[in-house]
Amino acid sequence: AQSVTQLGSHVSVSEGALVLLRCNYSSSVPPYLFWYVQYPNQGLQLLLKYTSAATLVKGINGFEAEFKKSETSFHLTKPSAHMSDAAEYFCAVSGANAGNMLTFGGGTRLMVKP
Amino acid sequence: GAVVSQHPSWVICKSGTSVKIECRSLDFQATTMFWYRQFPKQSLMLMATSNEGSKATYEQGVEKDKFLINHASLTLSTLTVTSAHPEDSSFYICSARKTGGPNQPQHFGDGTRLSIL
Repeated sequence: AQSVTQLGSHVSVSEGALVLLRCNYSSSVPPYLFWYVQYPNQGLQLLLKYTSAATLVKGINGFEAEFKKSETSFHLTKPSAHMSDAAEYFCAVSGANAGNMLTFGGGTRLMVKP
Repeated sequence: GAVVSQHPSWVICKSGTSVKIECRSLDFQATTMFWYRQFPKQSLMLMATSNEGSKATYEQGVEKDKFLINHASLTLSTLTVTSAHPEDSSFYICSARKTGGPNQPQHFGDGTRLSIL
């Protein structure tokens, strides 16, 4: 079984401030982890993925995430928030389960204040 | 690369109408496609997994006769909401995954907003 927990359904930061979106997972097999971003009325766009290579993963738009096995975490960060980063962010895990499905966290809405 | 096109983006129709939503992988072949439903301010709920050339696998609680899925080619899957009612109004999103297993990300369409009057 696998699951994902995103702490904080809403996160608000000032423009230029550090962005930290938290994701913890559970998986009975080595996980593959993903972060997606969703803008209003759109589908999901892949930000980055962890697939057992480097534990620090760099993605698009200046985002990165670090896989920490001991903490079962895969938090998403960005050094300096832009107004355009305001969106919904989803952490997801997949593994060698039936159908190799993605299991999503509940999502975190990032708000960026000017 | 890895573009998924979903059509239509918005549908408004009367109760009792059947609505077909198409999901196409434009620049890659997708053995597996997924259909999700998303309610406002909520995460995605997997409805079914669509495998090319075989029957779809539906999640518990999803009526297969209500939500018909066809995956006739490696680049096209369709979801038909039969005899739609207002409670079927939602945002439906498809995704497609390249062959290669769980380490391959799913690539998502832009979603279809379905409004049943």
